[in-house]
Amino acid sequence: GEDVEQSLFLSVREGDSSVINCTYTDSSSTYLYWYKQEPGAGLQLLTYIFSNMDMKQDQRLTVLLNKKDKHLSLRIADTQTGDSAIYFCAEKSGGYQKVTFGTGTKLQVIP
Amino acid sequence: DAGVTQSPTHLIKTRGQQVTLRCSPKSGHDTVSWYQQALGQGPQFIFQYYEEEERQRGNFPDRFSGHQFPNYSSELNVNALLLGDSALYLCASSLAARTRGLAGNYEQYFGPGTRLTVT
Repeated sequence: GEDVEQSLFLSVREGDSSVINCTYTDSSSTYLYWYKQEPGAGLQLLTYIFSNMDMKQDQRLTVLLNKKDKHLSLRIADTQTGDSAIYFCAEKSGGYQKVTFGTGTKLQVIP
Repeated sequence: DAGVTQSPTHLIKTRGQQVTLRCSPKSGHDTVSWYQQALGQGPQFIFQYYEEEERQRGNFPDRFSGHQFPNYSSELNVNALLLGDSALYLCASSLAARTRGLAGNYEQYFGPGTRLTVT
């Protein structure tokens, strides 16, 4: 079955890089996603990566995928206070579009 | 370009009642998925609708049912509400594989959610 795990909390200083990690169990995962959720809001899609890719960069965001270890990471360069939120890792597998989410990592940015 | 919209924003119901939540997908999208997000948890997949049919279902009881209309909008119905049904209900829209093709856009966009409180 599918299972996605993340650490619960990360604290960084403004201007530093943040790295949020995620592990998943489903070897048939096809796409892996990073979503951001601010308090009281819905989910904002930040980026996603195909399972046949190792890395994807999008402005301040870098996604690294180690398919052998089933490990996904999101690096945020020059972290800002506006980046404070909960970040969810998610994976999609199978022919349909069910997406399985982790429990989320709360990122706190200290000014 | 309108994103995913949901109504109502907030809802308070009592145990045993029934509730209907509504979702309009992003313009151009034909697939709607519903998720339940309990406090402090990640979203849990309830079910997905495409071509007005339920295509995939998560581990939720039959009290949870849905519908998709010809204009691709969708409803989530929950009967015999329990206290444990209190959560943020999120709707997500996307393009079906048949629609987008192999090189198409695999993104799934979420609405702002409906906060349901059962007392």
